[in-house]
Amino acid sequence: DAKTTQPTSMDCAEGRAANLPCNHSTISGNEYVYWYRQIHSQGPQYIIHGLKNNETNEMASLIITEDRKSSTLILPHATLRDTAVYYCIVYNQGGKLIFGQGTELSVKP
Amino acid sequence: DVKVTQSSRYLVKRTGEKVFLECVQDMDHENMFWYRQDPGLGLRLIYFSYDVKMKEKGDIPEGYSVSREKKERFSLILESASTNQTSMYLCASSYDRVIGETQYFGPGTRLLVL
Repeated sequence: DAKTTQPTSMDCAEGRAANLPCNHSTISGNEYVYWYRQIHSQGPQYIIHGLKNNETNEMASLIITEDRKSSTLILPHATLRDTAVYYCIVYNQGGKLIFGQGTELSVKP
Repeated sequence: DVKVTQSSRYLVKRTGEKVFLECVQDMDHENMFWYRQDPGLGLRLIYFSYDVKMKEKGDIPEGYSVSREKKERFSLILESASTNQTSMYLCASSYDRVIGETQYFGPGTRLLVL
């Protein structure tokens, strides 16, 4: 499975959009980009995933570059409850979810 | 919504005790997983199961066993608990037979072995 690179930490003001980047330059054609988050002392929570096209759901948007070597998770209006560690994972069928260190997002009032 | 529940949020056991961690999912998922999470090491896969009575070793199965007698329930067993098994244990489930479709996690069990 391809590795991902994320910033260790980010801050975001409450009510503003949080844009979390992820590099996955070695991604292969059949690998998906998954995003999970983990709020302190809880289990990881699935957010969104995509293959090539941009995706949106009630939680977030996922923007994948045309060459698929990087992606951005967007939380459109961050709240204090969005403070968590966000994991970008590249996964293909038959592989394993491999959680890296993630980005610690702090949403501040 | 998918619901994955774990029998305990916090557990304290003594070295040498047999420990059972239970996980139940209510979405008729085929696959179930056990991970442990430690600071600096991320989530590591212990065992997984893609069907009743089936099990597969993950990356760190030593010191653990599992049981899946019913589709909705997946148990992790520490035959003789040791202090290096102090950790956060996370159960997850997913629908598709192909390993790794969107996984839904339980709240976790924080185990302390004294």
